[in-house]
Amino acid sequence: DAGVTQSPTHLIKTRGQQVTLRCSPKSGHDTVSWYQQALGQGPQFIFQYYEEEERQRGNFPDRFSGHQFPNYSSELNVNALLLGDSALYLCASSSGVGADTQYFGPGTRLTVL
Amino acid sequence: AQSVSQHNHHVILSEAASLELGCNYSYGGTVNLFWYVQYPGQHLQLLLKYFSGDPLVKGIKGFEAEFIKSKFSFNLRKPSVQWSDTAEYFCAVNALIGNAGKSTFGDGTTLTVKP
Repeated sequence: DAGVTQSPTHLIKTRGQQVTLRCSPKSGHDTVSWYQQALGQGPQFIFQYYEEEERQRGNFPDRFSGHQFPNYSSELNVNALLLGDSALYLCASSSGVGADTQYFGPGTRLTVL
Repeated sequence: AQSVSQHNHHVILSEAASLELGCNYSYGGTVNLFWYVQYPGQHLQLLLKYFSGDPLVKGIKGFEAEFIKSKFSFNLRKPSVQWSDTAEYFCAVNALIGNAGKSTFGDGTTLTVKP
């Protein structure tokens, strides 16, 4: 039973560029949430996708957008990268749109130069 | 808005010592509460959770937590820590807002257990 997988593992971009991160949820899960974890801080909620729609959003600008595909996998897109976007980006999957237990992937380490 | 506060940023203990990590949250509605652990080089793993019922919940590896509704607290405890418990611990609150869940994490507590 595969857990949550994310790709790529590491990514280096320069300011102003755009990036796409990918996530495949745990088998049987239909909800994907994305988090940003800066060094020394806890994960910060970006948004949650369920039934291919954004259902909930945290305090992140519109430069952060996402998508969920019919097979429940998801992408996180960040446009016009800033130095402050450097962080570990975590994907978590769960079952249903409620406040259920989330299972986390290993994350994508994004470095913006 | 939800918020989660973890009182200790870094805790250092000797093996066999008892552990208590504090977690307080602010939110006026019903929440589900979680403790996650991140061992060195590994990803976040669920340690234990509270949804309803008995406010004392038991998790993996001998950890337990007590939900005290009147204090908005969900403290993590372990009677006797081991060197292998060295990790970062995150408290999280998940609230149903509108028709979707929204999670808020604390900033974590780094636990170092000396052999």
